[in-house]
Amino acid sequence: NAGVTQTPKFQVLKTGQSMTLQCAQDMNHEYMSWYRQDPGMGLRLIHYSVGAGITDQGEVPNGYNVSRSTTEDFPLRLLSAAPSQTSVYFCASSYDRALEPQHFGDGTRLSIL
Amino acid sequence: KNEVEQSPQNLTAQEGEFITINCSYSVGISALHWLQQHPGGGIVSLFMLSSGKKKHGRLIATINIQEKHSSLHITASHPRDSAVYICAVPQGAQKLVFGQGTRLTINP
Repeated sequence: NAGVTQTPKFQVLKTGQSMTLQCAQDMNHEYMSWYRQDPGMGLRLIHYSVGAGITDQGEVPNGYNVSRSTTEDFPLRLLSAAPSQTSVYFCASSYDRALEPQHFGDGTRLSIL
Repeated sequence: KNEVEQSPQNLTAQEGEFITINCSYSVGISALHWLQQHPGGGIVSLFMLSSGKKKHGRLIATINIQEKHSSLHITASHPRDSAVYICAVPQGAQKLVFGQGTRLTINP
């Protein structure tokens, strides 16, 4: 049982480049979410999804896009990378909603030069 | 927005000590999460509780909904308990707001 799988684990980008962070879960969870973690700050919600075809913005959505075409996958797209997006990104899922126990991926460490 | 404050931000203790980490929040909630982030970065869910107390091994979580406060206790602490402990509270049913975390270091 793989749980929540994030790829890649590390990535270095140049300012202006685009990329997609992948997140997949094999637990048939409806709720999936993306967070960023910065030094001295708590995890902050970027986008979330309550099921296939449904996404919504979190606390810090600017510069990021998401889609949810299947229950399993919830990719996060950086449209034009900026140094302020240097962070560690976590994907999480739960059975139904934020009130359920959350399962986290191992994180993606992203550096924007 | 539900503001979440954890204390202390950093805690260093000797092996065997009883540890308490506190979490306070500003808006009434129905449940609260405690999470653990190991030095390698992975995050695991420890507890989700809505009232009273929950226990798992040497970890005990308590919550007082009326006082908007929760505590995480570790009995007989061990160096392998060294990690960042994070509390999170819901904002509505679809979003979580996280505290900044408490960095715990247990020295042998």
